[in-house]
Amino acid sequence: NAGVTQTPKFRILKIGQSMTLQCTQDMNHNYMYWYRQDPGMGLKLIYYSVGAGITDKGEVPNGYNVSRSTTEDFPLRLELAAPSQTSVYFCASSYGYRADLDEQYFGPGTRLTVT
Amino acid sequence: QKEVEQNSGPLSVPEGAIASLNCTYSDRVSQSFFWYRQYSGKSPELIMSIYSNGDKEDGRFTAQLNKASQYVSLLIRDSQPSDSATYLCAAYTGGFKTIFGAGTRLFVKA
Repeated sequence: NAGVTQTPKFRILKIGQSMTLQCTQDMNHNYMYWYRQDPGMGLKLIYYSVGAGITDKGEVPNGYNVSRSTTEDFPLRLELAAPSQTSVYFCASSYGYRADLDEQYFGPGTRLTVT
Repeated sequence: QKEVEQNSGPLSVPEGAIASLNCTYSDRVSQSFFWYRQYSGKSPELIMSIYSNGDKEDGRFTAQLNKASQYVSLLIRDSQPSDSATYLCAAYTGGFKTIFGAGTRLFVKA
């Protein structure tokens, strides 16, 4: 199993540009998450999904959108990139038996810089 | 605002010593707690989870939970240079949401 994969690894965007961060998992997990991690800060939940077709907002959803058309894929869309979105983005997944007990498996991250 | 607080460190211990990492949380509703290890430039990986008051041991790692004091800790026995990393404390707060602390940097000196 490849686990959770993310593309791209690095990206530089200009202010106002848009992009999609890709996330795929091959563990047949039901739950998927997008986090951002700013330097010296904890992970902040952007969006999450409990299954195909079901998504919901986390702590910091503004400026982002998601979709979940399949169990495997959970892309994160940035519209009108701003310098405040400079961060490392992690996608994670978990089995979904019980959210309070689930171990989250993280992808390698995407380092995004907006200038 | 639900929060998980950790001392940012760095915590420096000699090889072979016990490293003690601490975490407090603000939400009394939280029932599940996790410790993730994150090497520099890498993604977090789960070390321990704990749901009940008391101690839980797994190899060189022991997690301790005191819900009355809203306090979670992680002890690493016989610390090794390979344990040098940032340790993230996390609390499940309900609604599919887990709150992460900013992490404690641990440095184990050979």
